[in-house]
Amino acid sequence: AQRVTQPEKLLSVFKGAPVELKCNYSYSGSPELFWYVQYSRQRLQLLLRHISRESIKGFTADLNKGETSFHLKKPFAQEEDSAMYYCALLTGGGNKLTFGTGTQLKVEL
Amino acid sequence: DVKVTQSSRYLVKRTGEKVFLECVQDMDHENMFWYRQDPGLGLRLIYFSYDVKMKEKGDIPEGYSVSREKKERFSLILESASTNQTSMYLCASSDSGMLDTGELFFGEGSRLTVL
Repeated sequence: AQRVTQPEKLLSVFKGAPVELKCNYSYSGSPELFWYVQYSRQRLQLLLRHISRESIKGFTADLNKGETSFHLKKPFAQEEDSAMYYCALLTGGGNKLTFGTGTQLKVEL
Repeated sequence: DVKVTQSSRYLVKRTGEKVFLECVQDMDHENMFWYRQDPGLGLRLIYFSYDVKMKEKGDIPEGYSVSREKKERFSLILESASTNQTSMYLCASSDSGMLDTGELFFGEGSRLTVL
């Protein structure tokens, strides 16, 4: 079965502390994974994609096929990082995204 | 900028009513999607469409139907609204190169309350 698991509903960290948002997936094929973010009162938007191996707003995510994980990391959390984060897996032959349940990140001063 | 517009931001309906949620995109995208967003459940795909008059069931299609008569417009229909359909509904679109980009463009959402 194709599934995306985000075990934490809420993650609270202090400003300047490292952040790791966990994402695990279950997929029989070659996975294409993404992180989406929704800031307060804004639209859901793409943050980064694993295939690009990019760093966006200081966030990175590495695909670990052995552990079937795609954790989102940032070395030093900023207040503006507070948002809802969703991990997503490309499924259905590459025509739709399956999302996880989301993790609310709260960065405290 | 890609613009996905959902016509209603907030709706309150009664049980049994027929509900239409409208979505329009202005970037000539082939693919359009309807998700519902619920706390603790994340985003769940209801229906999607690859092209005009084409539709595919998502993960939770029961109680919903869709219509895509024009490329830019994708409507979600609740034939007989029920209280368990109270939710935030998100429309999204993408172009045919989605396999490469994985990028969906989302609307602002329609919050539906069924009493």
